[in-house]
Amino acid sequence: IAGITQAPTSQILAAGRRMTLRCTQDMRHNAMYWYRQDLGLGLRLIHYSNTAGTTGKGEVPDGYSVSRANTDDFPLTLASAVPSQTSVYFCASSDNPDKPGYTFGSGTRLTVV
Amino acid sequence: GQNIDQPTEMTATEGAIVQINCTYQTSGFNGLFWYQQHAGEAPTFLSYNVLDGLEEKGRFSSFLSRSKGYSYLLLKELQMKDSASYLCASIDSNYQLIWGAGTKLIIKP
Repeated sequence: IAGITQAPTSQILAAGRRMTLRCTQDMRHNAMYWYRQDLGLGLRLIHYSNTAGTTGKGEVPDGYSVSRANTDDFPLTLASAVPSQTSVYFCASSDNPDKPGYTFGSGTRLTVV
Repeated sequence: GQNIDQPTEMTATEGAIVQINCTYQTSGFNGLFWYQQHAGEAPTFLSYNVLDGLEEKGRFSSFLSRSKGYSYLLLKELQMKDSASYLCASIDSNYQLIWGAGTKLIIKP
């Protein structure tokens, strides 16, 4: 089934631990994005990648890193998790970064304790 | 600055019509999206407007006025399954999306 797969679906993580959220798409989309969604706030962009081999910082990049080694995968790493990173994380992709019509993954619900 | 405003919550009756408004201030505006998000699920695409006017797609229509920085989503013949959050997002000069906080729509029988 074409789309975006995120893993894990949910996770409880101890503060200070390192965690990688996985995102894989099979649509051969050029652009990929990581958002966090918190109650009462709009989706906030963490990092993005317009094409394989390039990444950029979004609105809230601190504490997060990404890589884009190939077209399909765009993992998000929390180097040392803090409670303020408790959120729902969505990965998204679009076939053209200049005309973004996003497809979203089903999300990862992360709780940092 | 860049800003998107939409009501936090609205309530409507099954079978009725509801209009969800969105106002934006976006540098180098390049279009506006509406997404639907059911609780606990991912957002799904509803509409995209870049020119002024109304775009109709079945029971859902979306309107844009670039001069007023204003859009609305119109839902007709409301069904219980339309209970969801509706997210407005504008596209800026760098083709990045600026998201509103979403409008939670509650449908009552």
